[in-house]
Amino acid sequence: SAVISQKPSRDICQRGTSLTIQCQVDSQVTMMFWYRQQPGQSLTLIATANQGSEATYESGFVIDKFPISRPNLTFSTLTVSNMSPEDSSIYLCSVRASSYEQYFGPGTRLTVT
Amino acid sequence: AQKVTQAQTEISVVEKEDVTLDCVYETRDTTYYLFWYKQPPSGELVFLIRRNSFDEQNEISGRYSWNFQKSTSSFNFTITASQVVDSAVYFCALSKNYGGATNKLIFGTGTLLAVQP
Repeated sequence: SAVISQKPSRDICQRGTSLTIQCQVDSQVTMMFWYRQQPGQSLTLIATANQGSEATYESGFVIDKFPISRPNLTFSTLTVSNMSPEDSSIYLCSVRASSYEQYFGPGTRLTVT
Repeated sequence: AQKVTQAQTEISVVEKEDVTLDCVYETRDTTYYLFWYKQPPSGELVFLIRRNSFDEQNEISGRYSWNFQKSTSSFNFTITASQVVDSAVYFCALSKNYGGATNKLIFGTGTLLAVQP
């Protein structure tokens, strides 16, 4: 399995500001994913981040709002830009550690006031 | 389109009871992967099992067992002799088979399991 860490673990931010979430993996992985879990809801994929290429965004998510970086095979960042209270969620990083297994980080709990 | 349905929103049982969590999926793909994850109150998603659509054998791991039936598009999860520590939200998820590998996961809405002492 892969050990995944995320920073920050939680944050309270003001409307209109931006927050960058970091995801660090203890081994090299080809595919990393960013998911959002709104309060009491299921997980929804925001984008897939592959090293050396632009992130692929799911319907309803755009790069201007959720820019992603993937500078190497062990690290990625997700920025939540120009935040509003509707962005209050848990943001989870996930990796495909082998061809089949997918593991999740501990999540970042974001509250926007 | 792919879809995962977990019709049970909440289940409450008393410790030591057996409980089954239902998962029904929809996909047009002939090959795919199915997953179960556990999300305790701490919020982290814990991987429980992955099943390849080629493999319909049921699996048992301690008190956990999974019943995969392609004929009914179901992948149900049973906890035997439940314990308070089993209290969590359980998610079923589906992934396409991309050349033998998994990719993005489509999650069900989750089932909140409360095990009372």
